[in-house]
Amino acid sequence: DTAVSQTPKYLVTQMGNDKSIKCEQNLGHDTMYWYKQDSKKFLKIMFSYNNKELIINETVPNRFSPKSPDKAHLNLHINSLELGDSAVYFCASSQVGELFFGEGSRLTVL
Amino acid sequence: GENVEQHPSTLSVQEGDSAVIKCTYSDSASNYFPWYKQELGKRPQLIIDIRSNVGEKKDQRIAVTLNKTAKHFSLHITETQPEDSAVYFCAASPYNNNDMRFGAGTRLTVKP
Repeated sequence: DTAVSQTPKYLVTQMGNDKSIKCEQNLGHDTMYWYKQDSKKFLKIMFSYNNKELIINETVPNRFSPKSPDKAHLNLHINSLELGDSAVYFCASSQVGELFFGEGSRLTVL
Repeated sequence: GENVEQHPSTLSVQEGDSAVIKCTYSDSASNYFPWYKQELGKRPQLIIDIRSNVGEKKDQRIAVTLNKTAKHFSLHITETQPEDSAVYFCAASPYNNNDMRFGAGTRLTVKP
């Protein structure tokens, strides 16, 4: 049983398009996150949600809009994709302590 | 917000040698310090963590030390093996975990 699952795993799209990545956790955790990992492997926090409420919004362009319909789901919608958005996007969840990461979604913008 | 710095960015050791990775943090409110290992193409996974009421923690070949006064913590891997080759990340957060910040990562290569 996958603890944190995100779809799709791979996304290839053209500049200017809109795309979404979905994330679900079955661990009963209250907090969920989106992290961006660029080509240099740096893991940068984008958003964190606690019980569906936005806690952290880390200077992310407003083309990125997270949505948490319930505490088990955190989706990421990206409008008007740019070349610099190419990265691996990791969803994660936690209660206290350890973060559990999804497998990542590799987004390639052409 | 919290700023975590990590050194070195790359580290190459011979199998059987020890490896040490160091991190510093800026926010005195941070009290939870995990270390994650990320193998190529995989997700980051926790290998060890320490809370600020503890100075050192050990799990087999892996140990972490914390100096809260100086705001730095380190990962020590002894008797390294080729399967230890990966990118290692340190992180810091308040224990309620709403805001976990990662260091830039260390690419460890263990040569057989």
